[in-house]
Amino acid sequence: GENVEQHPSTLSVQEGDSAVIKCTYSDSASNYFPWYKQELGKRPQLIIDIRSNVGEKKDQRIAVTLNKTAKHFSLHITETQPEDSAVYFCAGPLGDDKIIFGKGTRLHILP
Amino acid sequence: DARVTQTPRHKVTEMGQEVTMRCQPILGHNTVFWYRQTMMQGLELLAYFRNRAPLDDSGMPKDRFSAEMPDATLATLKIQPSEPRDSAVYFCASGFNSGIGRGQPQHFGDGTRLSIL
Repeated sequence: GENVEQHPSTLSVQEGDSAVIKCTYSDSASNYFPWYKQELGKRPQLIIDIRSNVGEKKDQRIAVTLNKTAKHFSLHITETQPEDSAVYFCAGPLGDDKIIFGKGTRLHILP
Repeated sequence: DARVTQTPRHKVTEMGQEVTMRCQPILGHNTVFWYRQTMMQGLELLAYFRNRAPLDDSGMPKDRFSAEMPDATLATLKIQPSEPRDSAVYFCASGFNSGIGRGQPQHFGDGTRLSIL
Protein backbone atom coordinates (compact mmCIF):
# COMPACT_ATOMS: atom_id res chain seq x y z
CA GLY A 1 0.00 0.00 0.00
CA GLU A 2 0.94 3.66 -0.17
CA ASN A 3 3.34 5.06 2.39
CA VAL A 4 4.47 8.67 2.80
CA GLU A 5 7.67 9.47 4.70
CA GLN A 6 8.39 13.04 5.78
CA HIS A 7 11.71 14.63 6.87
CA PRO A 8 12.80 16.29 9.02
CA SER A 9 10.46 15.97 11.99
CA THR A 10 11.68 19.30 13.37
CA LEU A 11 13.30 22.21 11.55
CA SER A 12 14.59 25.52 12.90
CA VAL A 13 15.58 28.31 10.52
CA GLN A 14 16.54 31.93 10.98
CA GLU A 15 13.92 34.46 9.98
CA GLY A 16 14.49 35.44 6.37
CA ASP A 17 16.18 32.17 5.44
CA SER A 18 14.63 29.37 3.40
CA ALA A 19 13.08 26.15 4.70
CA VAL A 20 12.79 22.88 2.81
CA ILE A 21 10.72 19.86 3.84
CA LYS A 22 10.92 16.60 1.90
CA CYS A 23 8.56 13.68 1.46
CA THR A 24 8.90 10.37 -0.31
CA TYR A 25 6.12 8.06 -1.46
CA SER A 26 5.94 4.44 -2.49
CA ASP A 27 3.05 4.10 -4.98
CA SER A 28 4.23 5.02 -8.47
CA ALA A 29 0.59 5.52 -9.50
CA SER A 30 0.24 8.43 -7.05
CA ASN A 31 -0.53 11.65 -8.88
CA TYR A 32 -1.72 14.20 -6.33
CA PHE A 33 0.38 15.70 -3.51
CA PRO A 34 -1.04 18.33 -1.14
CA TRP A 35 0.70 20.20 1.67
CA TYR A 36 -1.10 21.30 4.81
CA LYS A 37 -0.09 23.84 7.45
CA GLN A 38 -1.40 23.48 10.99
CA GLU A 39 -0.88 26.25 13.52
CA LEU A 40 -1.16 25.45 17.21
CA GLY A 41 -4.76 24.74 18.18
CA LYS A 42 -6.05 25.26 14.64
CA ARG A 43 -7.21 23.13 11.74
CA PRO A 44 -4.93 21.78 9.00
CA GLN A 45 -5.10 24.20 6.07
CA LEU A 46 -4.29 23.31 2.49
CA ILE A 47 -1.52 25.67 1.39
CA ILE A 48 -0.44 24.23 -1.96
CA ASP A 49 -0.83 21.07 -4.00
CA ILE A 50 0.66 19.58 -7.13
CA ARG A 51 -0.43 17.00 -9.67
CA SER A 52 1.99 14.73 -11.41
CA ASN A 53 1.71 16.42 -14.78
CA VAL A 54 3.77 19.36 -13.51
CA GLY A 55 7.20 19.41 -11.85
CA GLU A 56 6.91 22.63 -9.87
CA LYS A 57 4.23 24.97 -8.62
CA LYS A 58 4.68 28.34 -6.89
CA ASP A 59 2.45 30.57 -4.82
CA GLN A 60 4.23 33.68 -3.57
CA ARG A 61 6.83 32.50 -1.01
CA ILE A 62 5.93 28.82 -1.14
CA ALA A 63 6.71 26.30 -3.85
CA VAL A 64 6.39 22.56 -4.27
CA THR A 65 8.63 20.46 -6.50
CA LEU A 66 7.92 16.92 -7.65
CA ASN A 67 10.34 14.29 -8.90
CA LYS A 68 8.29 11.33 -10.14
CA THR A 69 11.31 9.25 -11.07
CA ALA A 70 12.72 9.44 -7.56
CA LYS A 71 9.23 9.45 -5.98
CA HIS A 72 9.78 12.48 -3.83
CA PHE A 73 8.30 15.94 -3.48
CA SER A 74 9.39 18.94 -1.45
CA LEU A 75 7.95 22.10 0.07
CA HIS A 76 10.11 25.23 -0.17
CA ILE A 77 9.40 28.35 1.87
CA THR A 78 11.53 31.39 1.04
CA GLU A 79 12.09 34.55 3.10
CA THR A 80 10.61 32.88 6.16
CA GLN A 81 8.58 34.96 8.60
CA PRO A 82 7.45 34.34 12.20
CA GLU A 83 3.94 33.44 11.00
CA ASP A 84 5.41 30.49 9.08
CA SER A 85 6.01 28.71 12.42
CA ALA A 86 3.63 25.71 12.39
CA VAL A 87 3.47 21.98 11.72
CA TYR A 88 3.53 21.11 8.02
CA PHE A 89 2.09 17.84 6.67
CA CYS A 90 2.65 16.37 3.24
CA ALA A 91 0.21 13.81 1.85
CA GLY A 92 -0.31 11.46 -1.05
CA PRO A 93 -3.41 9.81 -2.50
CA LEU A 94 -4.75 6.53 -1.16
CA GLY A 95 -7.32 5.25 -3.63
CA ASP A 96 -9.71 7.63 -5.37
CA ASP A 97 -10.67 9.82 -2.41
CA LYS A 98 -8.48 9.25 0.61
CA ILE A 99 -5.11 10.83 1.31
CA ILE A 100 -2.38 9.51 3.57
CA PHE A 101 -0.50 12.05 5.66
CA GLY A 102 3.14 12.20 6.59
CA LYS A 103 4.01 12.46 10.29
CA GLY A 104 4.52 16.21 10.10
CA THR A 105 7.42 18.68 10.38
CA ARG A 106 7.45 21.21 13.19
CA LEU A 107 8.96 24.39 11.73
CA HIS A 108 10.38 27.01 14.10
CA ILE A 109 11.30 30.43 12.72
CA LEU A 110 14.01 31.95 14.93
CA PRO A 111 14.12 35.75 15.40
CA ASP B 1 -15.09 31.82 1.76
CA ALA B 2 -16.81 28.41 2.12
CA ARG B 3 -15.93 26.51 5.29
CA VAL B 4 -16.61 23.14 6.86
CA THR B 5 -18.58 23.71 10.06
CA GLN B 6 -18.18 21.47 13.09
CA THR B 7 -20.07 21.47 16.35
CA PRO B 8 -19.44 21.52 19.22
CA ARG B 9 -15.97 23.11 19.26
CA HIS B 10 -15.29 21.74 22.73
CA LYS B 11 -16.84 18.91 24.71
CA VAL B 12 -16.01 17.72 28.21
CA THR B 13 -17.95 14.78 29.57
CA GLU B 14 -17.61 11.82 31.89
CA MET B 15 -16.69 8.39 30.71
CA GLY B 16 -19.66 6.24 29.74
CA GLN B 17 -21.61 9.17 28.29
CA GLU B 18 -22.68 9.38 24.67
CA VAL B 19 -20.91 11.97 22.54
CA THR B 20 -22.24 13.24 19.20
CA MET B 21 -20.15 15.43 16.91
CA ARG B 22 -21.65 17.12 13.86
CA CYS B 23 -20.22 18.34 10.59
CA GLN B 24 -21.65 20.44 7.78
CA PRO B 25 -19.52 19.93 4.67
CA ILE B 26 -18.91 22.64 2.09
CA LEU B 27 -21.93 22.98 -0.20
CA GLY B 28 -21.39 20.94 -3.36
CA HIS B 29 -18.74 18.66 -1.89
CA ASN B 30 -19.51 14.95 -2.23
CA THR B 31 -16.87 13.37 0.03
CA VAL B 32 -16.73 13.68 3.82
CA PHE B 33 -13.94 12.43 6.08
CA TRP B 34 -13.67 12.03 9.87
CA TYR B 35 -10.17 12.21 11.38
CA ARG B 36 -8.87 11.94 14.93
CA GLN B 37 -5.70 13.78 15.93
CA THR B 38 -3.58 13.03 18.97
CA MET B 39 0.02 13.85 19.79
CA MET B 40 0.98 10.18 19.72
CA GLN B 41 -0.84 9.02 16.60
CA GLY B 42 -1.01 12.11 14.43
CA LEU B 43 -3.94 12.36 11.98
CA GLU B 44 -5.88 9.09 11.74
CA LEU B 45 -8.70 8.53 9.28
CA LEU B 46 -11.71 7.07 11.07
CA ALA B 47 -14.34 6.94 8.32
CA TYR B 48 -15.33 8.50 5.03
CA PHE B 49 -18.35 8.91 2.78
CA ARG B 50 -18.83 9.58 -0.89
CA ASN B 51 -22.25 10.78 -2.05
CA ARG B 52 -23.47 9.98 1.49
CA ALA B 53 -22.50 6.29 1.19
CA PRO B 54 -20.04 5.00 3.80
CA LEU B 55 -17.01 3.66 1.93
CA ASP B 56 -14.45 3.00 4.63
CA ASP B 57 -14.76 2.87 8.40
CA SER B 58 -11.85 0.53 9.03
CA GLY B 59 -10.12 3.13 11.21
CA MET B 60 -12.98 3.24 13.69
CA PRO B 61 -13.50 1.06 16.80
CA LYS B 62 -16.81 -0.45 15.66
CA ASP B 63 -18.05 -1.43 19.09
CA ARG B 64 -18.34 2.16 20.28
CA PHE B 65 -18.05 4.49 17.28
CA SER B 66 -20.56 5.07 14.53
CA ALA B 67 -20.59 7.50 11.62
CA GLU B 68 -23.61 8.47 9.56
CA MET B 69 -24.62 10.96 6.92
CA PRO B 70 -28.38 11.46 7.20
CA ASP B 71 -28.34 14.06 4.41
CA ALA B 72 -25.90 15.88 2.17
CA THR B 73 -25.51 18.75 4.63
CA LEU B 74 -24.89 16.75 7.82
CA ALA B 75 -22.42 14.11 8.91
CA THR B 76 -22.33 12.76 12.47
CA LEU B 77 -19.79 10.84 14.53
CA LYS B 78 -21.05 9.19 17.71
CA ILE B 79 -19.18 7.56 20.54
CA GLN B 80 -21.17 5.39 22.94
CA PRO B 81 -19.98 4.68 25.56
CA SER B 82 -17.09 7.15 25.66
CA GLU B 83 -13.78 6.30 27.33
CA PRO B 84 -10.85 8.49 28.49
CA ARG B 85 -8.69 7.16 25.61
CA ASP B 86 -11.15 8.78 23.16
CA SER B 87 -9.89 12.21 24.26
CA ALA B 88 -8.54 13.88 21.12
CA VAL B 89 -9.36 16.50 18.51
CA TYR B 90 -11.82 15.20 15.92
CA PHE B 91 -11.72 16.85 12.51
CA CYS B 92 -14.20 16.64 9.69
CA ALA B 93 -13.02 17.39 6.14
CA SER B 94 -14.85 17.56 2.85
CA GLY B 95 -13.83 17.38 -0.79
CA PHE B 96 -15.14 16.88 -4.30
CA ASN B 97 -14.49 13.76 -6.33
CA SER B 98 -15.00 14.69 -9.97
CA GLY B 99 -14.36 11.14 -11.11
CA ILE B 100 -11.16 12.18 -12.89
CA GLY B 101 -7.84 11.11 -11.45
CA ARG B 102 -6.93 10.09 -7.93
CA GLY B 103 -6.77 12.45 -5.03
CA GLN B 104 -8.52 15.74 -4.31
CA PRO B 105 -8.09 18.67 -1.95
CA GLN B 106 -9.64 18.13 1.46
CA HIS B 107 -10.84 21.13 3.44
CA PHE B 108 -10.90 20.78 7.21
CA GLY B 109 -13.29 22.12 9.80
CA ASP B 110 -12.06 23.70 13.04
CA GLY B 111 -12.44 20.42 14.92
CA THR B 112 -14.09 19.25 18.13
CA ARG B 113 -11.76 19.09 21.11
CA LEU B 114 -13.09 16.18 23.17
CA SER B 115 -12.10 15.44 26.76
CA ILE B 116 -13.44 12.34 28.48
CA LEU B 117 -12.95 12.41 32.24
